[in-house]
Amino acid sequence: DQQVKQNSPSLSVQEGRISILNCDYTNSMFDYFLWYKKYPAEGPTFLISISSIKDKNEDGRFTVFLNKSAKHLSLHIVPSQPGDSAVYFCAASPGTASKLTFGTGTRLQVTL
Amino acid sequence: GAVVSQHPSWVICKSGTSVKIECRSLDFQATTMFWYRQFPKQSLMLMATSNEGSKATYEQGVEKDKFLINHASLTLSTLTVTSAHPEDSSFYICSARDPVGVYEQYFGPGTRLTVT
Repeated sequence: DQQVKQNSPSLSVQEGRISILNCDYTNSMFDYFLWYKKYPAEGPTFLISISSIKDKNEDGRFTVFLNKSAKHLSLHIVPSQPGDSAVYFCAASPGTASKLTFGTGTRLQVTL
Repeated sequence: GAVVSQHPSWVICKSGTSVKIECRSLDFQATTMFWYRQFPKQSLMLMATSNEGSKATYEQGVEKDKFLINHASLTLSTLTVTSAHPEDSSFYICSARDPVGVYEQYFGPGTRLTVT
């Protein structure tokens, strides 16, 4: 039972454009969400998080949007850069100190 | 930011032997560490939660006698894969939570285990 889903396994975006990565979840107990970036053979790197009391959180080029009624969150990267090319995982937990459930990942390729 | 290291980064072992993987938080004390496993092109699957000074909590379907976890200090957790088999070959990643101020988990670089 995949409680956190990323339905797009891959995404290709031109440099300078916006990248939008999507994530859906089914467990209504989740109230804390995070995005991680991962390169091959490396551990994930934390990017940005959002708690369910907010619907938007911004950090530089990265913005996460949360739609609780739709159980959907998205990560916007603008402008996209070649160094952003990696696999992006969303993760969710029922509280900030609880264990994380990861999505299946989306491979982002930013082209020149 | 918080740094988590893992050792070794890759290991090849023969079937039936045991392998120990270390996870260290380098610049913070971690009361809680997590062990994940990732198969190729799949998500990270939580194996167990390791709490300093107490027994690990294993996720459903993870054999505690096969995957021994020890969290002997606030900066070190170890995962021992006992009597390894080829199906144990995977990418093992640990993470640690800095209990002060932030709640994000910081991940180690991972360990690639190949059992021949």
